[in-house]
Amino acid sequence: DAKTTQPPSMDCAEGRAANLPCNHSTISGNEYVYWYRQIHSQGPQYIIHGLKNNETNEMASLIITEDRKSSTLILPHATLRDTAVYYCIVREENAGNMLTFGGGTRLMVKP
Amino acid sequence: DGGITQSPKYLFRKEGQNVTLSCEQNLNHDAMYWYRQDPGQGLRLIYYSQIVNDFQKGDIAEGYSVSREKKESFPLTVTSAQKNPTAFYLCASSQRGGSAGYTFGSGTRLTVV
Repeated sequence: DAKTTQPPSMDCAEGRAANLPCNHSTISGNEYVYWYRQIHSQGPQYIIHGLKNNETNEMASLIITEDRKSSTLILPHATLRDTAVYYCIVREENAGNMLTFGGGTRLMVKP
Repeated sequence: DGGITQSPKYLFRKEGQNVTLSCEQNLNHDAMYWYRQDPGQGLRLIYYSQIVNDFQKGDIAEGYSVSREKKESFPLTVTSAQKNPTAFYLCASSQRGGSAGYTFGSGTRLTVV
């Protein structure tokens, strides 16, 4: 799997958009970008994934740059319950389904 | 509702004892995984299984053992050979192949005293 680089921590005001960056400069053409989050003492929760195009679901939006070397997860209206560690992972389709978790970004949403 | 269940949530054991952590899923997923998480750290892969009766070592398999006799179940045994077993253990499952993501259980926090 290609490695990812994320800032260790970020703050966001409640109600504002949270933009979490991820660099994956060595990503290959068939590797997907996945985002998970982990609220304290719980199992990680899947958020979204994408290959080339921007993706949106009920939780978040994923913006992938045209060269695919970086991406941004956007939580449009952050709430206190979005405080968590957010993991950005790249993985090749059909590569044994393996996901390798790095350190992630600790997002703190403040009132 | 479909999901993945880990039990118990908290487990205490004396040093030198083997202990088995349960993981059951009713999602009809082929693949199952065990991760270990230490405080403030990311997840590290212990073992994984892509199909019944088959499993492979992950990055930190020493001191652990698993079995996969049924599709729904993937128990993890922490043996006395594991030098530092106190940790948060997470089980996950997924469909094989494609771009399928993981579904995680809620975890078991093991404390060895």
